[in-house]
Amino acid sequence: AQSVAQPEDQVNVAEGNPLTVKCTYSVSGNPYLFWYVQYPNRGLQFLLKYITGDNLVKGSYGFEAEFNKSQTSFHLKKPSALVSDSALYFCAVRDNKSNTGKLIFGQGTTLQVKP
Amino acid sequence: DAGVIQSPRHEVTEMGQEVTLRCKPISGHNSLFWYRQTMMRGLELLIYFNNNVPIDDSGMPEDRFSAKMPNASFSTLKIQPSEPRDSAVYFCASSEDRGLGNTEAFFGQGTRLTVV
Repeated sequence: AQSVAQPEDQVNVAEGNPLTVKCTYSVSGNPYLFWYVQYPNRGLQFLLKYITGDNLVKGSYGFEAEFNKSQTSFHLKKPSALVSDSALYFCAVRDNKSNTGKLIFGQGTTLQVKP
Repeated sequence: DAGVIQSPRHEVTEMGQEVTLRCKPISGHNSLFWYRQTMMRGLELLIYFNNNVPIDDSGMPEDRFSAKMPNASFSTLKIQPSEPRDSAVYFCASSEDRGLGNTEAFFGQGTRLTVV
């Protein structure tokens, strides 16, 4: 079965420090991977995606993610965290077996950036 | 485009009552998803439509839940009768699915349902 795992429930980072939010995946075939962010009382917002090509993907708000096929990982990164980055982050994989567009989400990781 | 529009934003109802949640997807999008979010279970896919046809409803918890998509611009999720354990935030999302699976989904603001 296709799945994603976010091993950390919460990540704490000081403002200005680099941040990493981890995601690993399990799919058959080529993965289509996504990161979303959810601010309190809001819907999920798309940050970035990996479909093919360059392993380093750049997205919104200065975020980037590195696709690593050998480690089946797609970690979200930012060189310098902001307090406003504090939110809930979701990794997702597309069910590419059926090409129906179904998104499978991880459990989410809460990012807390402290001043 | 105004994005995915959901209504109502908040709904408080008594146990046993019927609840209807509404969603207007982004114009031109042909895939629509209903998700439920709770602290205990995270984000769960309830049902997925493609070109107005239900493709996967394996996530619908039980017969009390039903979803329809009568046309490309409107979908409903109905719970009848509602129970306290249905309390959650319900999200609708849409995407432009060209059969490649490489497009992102856009989410609405959600409906916070409280069943008392």
